[in-house]
Amino acid sequence: DAKTTQPPSMDCAEGRAANLPCNHSTISGNEYVYWYRQIHSQGPQYIIHGLKNNETNEMASLIITEDRKSSTLILPHATLRDTAVYYCIVRFYTGTASKLTFGTGTRLQVTL
Amino acid sequence: GAVVSQHPSRVICKSGTSVKIECRSLDFQATTMFWYRQFPKQSLMLMATSNEGSKATYEQGVEKDKFLINHASLTLSTLTVTSAHPEDSSFYICSARPGTGVSEQYFGPGTRLTVT
Repeated sequence: DAKTTQPPSMDCAEGRAANLPCNHSTISGNEYVYWYRQIHSQGPQYIIHGLKNNETNEMASLIITEDRKSSTLILPHATLRDTAVYYCIVRFYTGTASKLTFGTGTRLQVTL
Repeated sequence: GAVVSQHPSRVICKSGTSVKIECRSLDFQATTMFWYRQFPKQSLMLMATSNEGSKATYEQGVEKDKFLINHASLTLSTLTVTSAHPEDSSFYICSARPGTGVSEQYFGPGTRLTVT
C-alpha cells in the first residue's frame, strides 16, 4: 500500500471548517483514499473514502486532486467532539491484501 | 448497523498468565477479522489477519505462538495473549470486514490490557 504523509497536529476553532491535508504521491491507480479518526481510547471510526472524484457524506467532504497525489478532508463545522487523531490511508478496495495500515495521523484539536 | 464489540474492555493480569480477548460482529458476518495493537501515543499496528476457518496471517515481527488467534465462526474471533509480560500491556483493537468483496472495515472499541 502507498504511504501517506500528514501534518502531526492542527488546531481549529469550533464552528470553523477543519481542512486536513494528506499527501500520497505514490498512490497507484487502483488504490482508494480512506479517512478514519480515533477519539482518545476508542476504536477508529470510518469517515469517508474515495477514488478520484470528490465525495461528501454527513460527516465530511473529501477532495482529491486531479493527479490523485494528495487529498483534503474537510469537516465543515468543527465541534469539540471532532477532537481526535485523523488517519489518511490508501489501499486497494477489495481482496485479502487490502488491509488498513495506519500511519501517524494528524491530531486535530478543536478549541472554543 | 455494523457493530463490532470487544470483551473485556479492560483487563489486568499477572505476569506469566494468559488472557483471552473476544471480538464479535453483532449484526453482520465477518469473513475477515483483524487484530491491531496500540501503545500510548502511537498509531495502530496491525498484528494479524484472520479468515474464518483458516489460520491467521501474522505481520512480520509478531510472535504467532504468543498471540494466538482463533476465528472459529463468522461472528467471533479471539486473541489470546499467552504468558503475558508487562511489555504486552497495550490497547488491543479488533476490526471486521463483511467479505473479501466488500471494502468496509469496522472497528471494535478496544481492550486495555495491563500486565502487572
